[in-house]
Amino acid sequence: NAGVTQTPKFQVLKTGQSMTLQCAQDMNHEYMSWYRQDPGMGLRLIHYSVGAGITDQGEVPNGYNVSRSTTEDFPLRLLSAAPSQTSVYFCASSRTGRGSYGYTFGSGTRLTVV
Amino acid sequence: GDSVTQMEGPVTLSEEAFLTINCTYTATGYPSLFWYVQYPGEGLQLLLKATKADDKGSNKGFEATYRKETTSFHLEKGSVQVSDSAVYFCALSVWGAASGSRLTFGEGTQLTVNP
Repeated sequence: NAGVTQTPKFQVLKTGQSMTLQCAQDMNHEYMSWYRQDPGMGLRLIHYSVGAGITDQGEVPNGYNVSRSTTEDFPLRLLSAAPSQTSVYFCASSRTGRGSYGYTFGSGTRLTVV
Repeated sequence: GDSVTQMEGPVTLSEEAFLTINCTYTATGYPSLFWYVQYPGEGLQLLLKATKADDKGSNKGFEATYRKETTSFHLEKGSVQVSDSAVYFCALSVWGAASGSRLTFGEGTQLTVNP
């Protein structure tokens, strides 16, 4: 089925470890983004990309890196995990960045940092 | 900056009751407005959208009208079902030539429908 695929679904990290959350879409969408979901705070934008080779920061970018070498993939890297990064992470894509098309979300990665 | 405010939850209703979830927004430009739904353990799914003032979005019995004069986009359903139990997010998107588009979410409203 076409859509946004995120891996892994669950992950436990120790403080200071690094890891990469994977996101891939097969809809040829130009726009991709990463959000984190925390109780009572809705979803907050971490980083986004309007096309291959182009990335920019969102609302809460500190502690995270992204790259966009292909249209399909948009990995999110945690450089040195902290307990404050315990959250559910969602990747989303859209046909264009204009937003009026709506966004397709992955099923999420639940990350716990101990 | 852009922001979305949803009515506080959680909301608990009996089956076949009428549902309203309030959503108001502030935006620097001309936003598109969305309602997303999140079922337990899943990602967000687009429920409905409206891209300009007075547009009505509808899907699966849910409706919302883009009210520019009151900066609102309230979600309604005439008769809820147990299967509608989920978290509902109101969101807006404003396009900026320099910054691209950002989707701004409300806090989410947990809906529980009892049989």
